[in-house]
Amino acid sequence: GAVVSQHPSWVICKSGTSVKIECRSLDFQATTMFWYRQFPKQSLMLMATSNEGSKATYEQGVEKDKFLINHASLTLSTLTVTSAHPEDSSFYICSATRRQGAGEKLFFGSGTQLSVL
Amino acid sequence: LAKTTQPISMDSYEGQEVNITCSHNNIATNDYITWYQQFPSQGPRFIIQGYKTKVTNEVASLFIPADRKSSTLSLPRVSLSDTAVYYCLVGESNYQLIWGAGTKLIIKP
Repeated sequence: GAVVSQHPSWVICKSGTSVKIECRSLDFQATTMFWYRQFPKQSLMLMATSNEGSKATYEQGVEKDKFLINHASLTLSTLTVTSAHPEDSSFYICSATRRQGAGEKLFFGSGTQLSVL
Repeated sequence: LAKTTQPISMDSYEGQEVNITCSHNNIATNDYITWYQQFPSQGPRFIIQGYKTKVTNEVASLFIPADRKSSTLSLPRVSLSDTAVYYCLVGESNYQLIWGAGTKLIIKP
């Protein structure tokens, strides 16, 4: 099946630093990728929709200047958490859409656990 | 956008069949019903998707009544490794999915 690779799996950083998370579709081209945040024992919250070659669409309440998304190619989207603070500590997940037959299927990365000290 | 309601948690035993029901009273005509499984500290994994009646694949079955206001995910002969959170989502496309709280399924030996 389709594989979406997310890197790194976990990262610990100091408050005020920036962290970049990569999401790659390994065996298919993904025109659209999604970024989510998930706090412990809570559900996934969509942060933004990333479209190749254009600006990302952010959900209400998500600061676009803090969570920078770049989708420079059909197989790579990155999320940069700028000037991270402890409240940004969370599990970040990406997903990518792949056409299958008449429809689309969503494939998820393995997630990135961010801990900001 | 249709919202879903699922039991917060369920438990069962190895070898049993587990049925998780999801309510989606406001499902729209073009909406599909999709179920995902998520293990701790991992991304969700697609289980099954359907529009109406019954769909079966190698891991699960999905039962959808005629009015489509609910759906039931059926896991045959569960094992300990099926312990996870199961999400029911409804939407026309991937762009419209709202993630509810999910059902935490605990399988006991």
